[in-house]
Amino acid sequence: AQSVTQLDSQVPVFEEAPVELRCNYSSSVSVYLFWYVQYPNQGLQLLLKYLSGSTLVESINGFEAEFNKSQTSFHLRKPSVHISDTAEYFCAVSEYPSGGFKTIFGAGTRLFVKA
Amino acid sequence: EAGVTQSPTHLIKTRGQQATLRCSPISGHTSVYWYQQALGLGLQFLLWYDEGEERNRGNFPPRFSGRQFPNYSSELNVNALELEDSALYLCASSLREYEQYFGPGTRLTVT
Repeated sequence: AQSVTQLDSQVPVFEEAPVELRCNYSSSVSVYLFWYVQYPNQGLQLLLKYLSGSTLVESINGFEAEFNKSQTSFHLRKPSVHISDTAEYFCAVSEYPSGGFKTIFGAGTRLFVKA
Repeated sequence: EAGVTQSPTHLIKTRGQQATLRCSPISGHTSVYWYQQALGLGLQFLLWYDEGEERNRGNFPPRFSGRQFPNYSSELNVNALELEDSALYLCASSLREYEQYFGPGTRLTVT
């Protein structure tokens, strides 16, 4: 991918409200798409991924993301957030040029859920 | 199943010194990736090792180097440390290139 853009650096939201974290990418080749979550002082955890097939993918904790090829987007959504969802979220794109995979990460979006 | 482990947790060095960071992948994973997470800059890809060979490299100067051992663990070396090398260094491992599992990171501080 030439670039991965997370359009919001910070997203404050009240508990039980819906949230959307936006991610756009640019690439001239086929891509795989990922969302990772990073809790304070921890490494990254894979939240969900799109490899092929259905463009809507879901995680076990209620997040979902939809791959939109025409808009080159992979926005992350959750209909009702919890305090425990407060973390930094990274969108990532893996493309396969000759020479192997190279994953590019967005700058991150800090989700802050308020009571 | 043990996850990816990294050592040390924290490392403090002075400018010009060398730093060595270590990573043990998940058992059975043959690929190791290194990333730099500097404050406000997101994750920057550093290096990818697979089966003992360097497969890909990010846009970092040659003083960032590493290797992968026969047991698939890996070492990242940073020579001639500069203040801007201060960051969280994350290691990830995978069995398939597109599914990476991250360790907790090593916080490198250069003074």
